[in-house]
Order: sequence, then structure tokens, then C-alpha cells
Amino acid sequence: QSALTQPPSASGSPGQSVTISCTGTRTDFGDDNSVSWYQCHPGKAPKLVIYEVNKRPSGVPDRFSASKSGNTASLTVSGLQPEDEADYYCSSYTGTNSLMFGGGTKVTVL
Amino acid sequence: QVQLVESGGGVVQSGKSLRLSCAASGFILNNYGIHWVRQAPGRGLEWVALIHFDGVTQHYADSVKGRFTISRDNSRNRVFLYITSPRAEDTALYYCARDMRVTVHSYFYGLDVWGQGTTVTVSS
Repeated sequence: QSALTQPPSASGSPGQSVTISCTGTRTDFGDDNSVSWYQCHPGKAPKLVIYEVNKRPSGVPDRFSASKSGNTASLTVSGLQPEDEADYYCSSYTGTNSLMFGGGTKVTVL
Repeated sequence: QVQLVESGGGVVQSGKSLRLSCAASGFILNNYGIHWVRQAPGRGLEWVALIHFDGVTQHYADSVKGRFTISRDNSRNRVFLYITSPRAEDTALYYCARDMRVTVHSYFYGLDVWGQGTTVTVSS
């Protein structure tokens, strides 16, 4: 199985919004509620920012929001801040006891 | 403080084996499924394996099936990943991560605690 498809890069100025897409096939998204998003800073442990399509873990700012429509999931970071500059990965349960990640999107705060 | 700490990485020759360890603290390990996820240099995240909370069931990515074994010792708060017959493409930073669902056999909906990773380099 190939990875879920994400754009390699996205950018925005401080205070603006950036939206990242995550596209798969019907079989990639084995369960409609299993999409998660992770924030990765170099040298640090990945951080869960969204689970079950659109839920935020405790401590994640409400500037992070997400949705899913058909075979495309999306993560939006509103009110961009310098610390939001990172790599972001989507993931989804495949329906066959495995997890698939997207290829990752590098978000740059201009 | 809830955390996971990986260890055991290093340089391993093709044909040899290696055991990675994931130590849990700050939570009851035997309530949670634990995953291993890796990131090859310059590449994205790749899911490797999952072991259910009770250790009875394991799942593997096709790329490692038959070569990697995940196990756990809840009495020692540790999860292990045995790497046998390593290949150059197994060179990566290996993370262990906690599945956020508690004491169930339904996983993959979010990995909420990650370690800092341990690096494995396969040499020929």
C-alpha cells in the first residue's frame, strides 16, 4: 500500500491560516473515524494534535482543527505562530490491522 | 510524568540481530497497546508493529513481517522490538508510541504518547 498523499509543503504568514490535505483511496481510509494528525519538530518526539478525524487532545490549542470529506482529510492551523513551523503527518487505520501515514507536509511560517 | 523512553539502537550488520526496548513510566503500561513507528533518514513516518495491551495479539507491517517480533513484559513496564535479518532499508529512527485507547482490542485511532526514538543503522 502506498502512503496517504499530502502536499510536500505549505506556508503562511503569522496570524494567517494554512490547510493541509491528506488524500487516500476508499480502502486506505478503512474506518471513517480513524484519521489522526501528528506534529513533528526536528529532534523532538512526534505530537498528536488531532485524533478521530476532528478531536483535539488536551493541551492542543483550538487553532488546530480538522475534518474529513470522502477520501480527503484536512488539517487547518489558524492564527499561525512561529512554533507551528514543523512537519505534519496524517494517519489512518487501513482496516487490515495496520496503520498508514501520509508522506508528510512541511509547514513554514514566513 | 507520562513518558516512553527507547533504547537499544546502534549499528547492526546484515545477518545479525538487535533488540530495541521501550520503557514506560507515569502510567500503567498493561492497559495500553504499544506501537513501533520508524522514520528513515529524509523520509516520513512508517508504522512498524503493534502489540495489544495483554500481549496476546501482535500486528506487523508487510515490510517487516517475519523478520521483526514485538513483545512486552508488563511486569517490567517494557515493550521490545526484535529485529532479525536486518536490511539496509531498516536503517531508521525507531519510536515507540502509546495507543490512546485503554484496555480494548480496537486500536489505530490515535497515538498520544511518543518516545524520543532510538537510531538503528544497518551496515553491510
